Amino acid sequence: SQKIEQNSEALNIQEGKTATLTCNYTNYSPAYLQWYRQDPGRGPVFLLLIRENEKEKRKERLKVTFDTTLKQSLFHITASQPADSATYLCALDTSGGYNKLIFGAGTRLAVHP
Amino acid sequence: DADVTQTPRNRITKTGKRIMLECSQTKGHDRMYWYRQDPGLGLRLIYYSFDVKDINKGEISDGYSVSRQAQAKFSLSLESAIPNQTALYFCATSDIARSTDTQYFGPGTRLTVL
Repeated sequence: SQKIEQNSEALNIQEGKTATLTCNYTNYSPAYLQWYRQDPGRGPVFLLLIRENEKEKRKERLKVTFDTTLKQSLFHITASQPADSATYLCALDTSGGYNKLIFGAGTRLAVHP
Repeated sequence: DADVTQTPRNRITKTGKRIMLECSQTKGHDRMYWYRQDPGLGLRLIYYSFDVKDINKGEISDGYSVSRQAQAKFSLSLESAIPNQTALYFCATSDIARSTDTQYFGPGTRLTVL
């Protein structure tokens, strides 16, 4: 069966360190993968998109990698800040670009001062 | 996100009642979606619509129905609510002109079925 896995345990890190979150998937061949941020009681907000033919994408302190052989994406936040504390969701396109996404359950990140 | 609004924001209802959740968007997007979110399960797609005349079932459509009244409006109905439909419901939109675009989510509706 098709499956997306994100670490269900919260990730606790110290301010200034790099946070690395993992998204693994099975039985998909996604055209692209997206990362969203969700704060408690609010809707997800898009952060980054990476296509199947891209290895890495950066945006300010954020970096996403995409390894289609390993079926894994890593999401990095460098120089993390308490304001980065949130739940981060990965989402895969399963419809060949028709934007029908499958979401992972998310990983909660807590950045401590 | 003020461009996608949902009403009501919170609703408590009883088993067997009919409930309608509404979504409006000012982004001009053709595509609209309804998701539910449960702890530990992430977002699951209920229905989606790629234009006013196109409605499709998602992963978990049983017990739900939708109506796309206009490009900007997409409502979700629970004909006879049951307690396991207690969840956080999100509406989202995306732009048909972009092949790999992002989805823009509303603030959510917290529904409790007693």
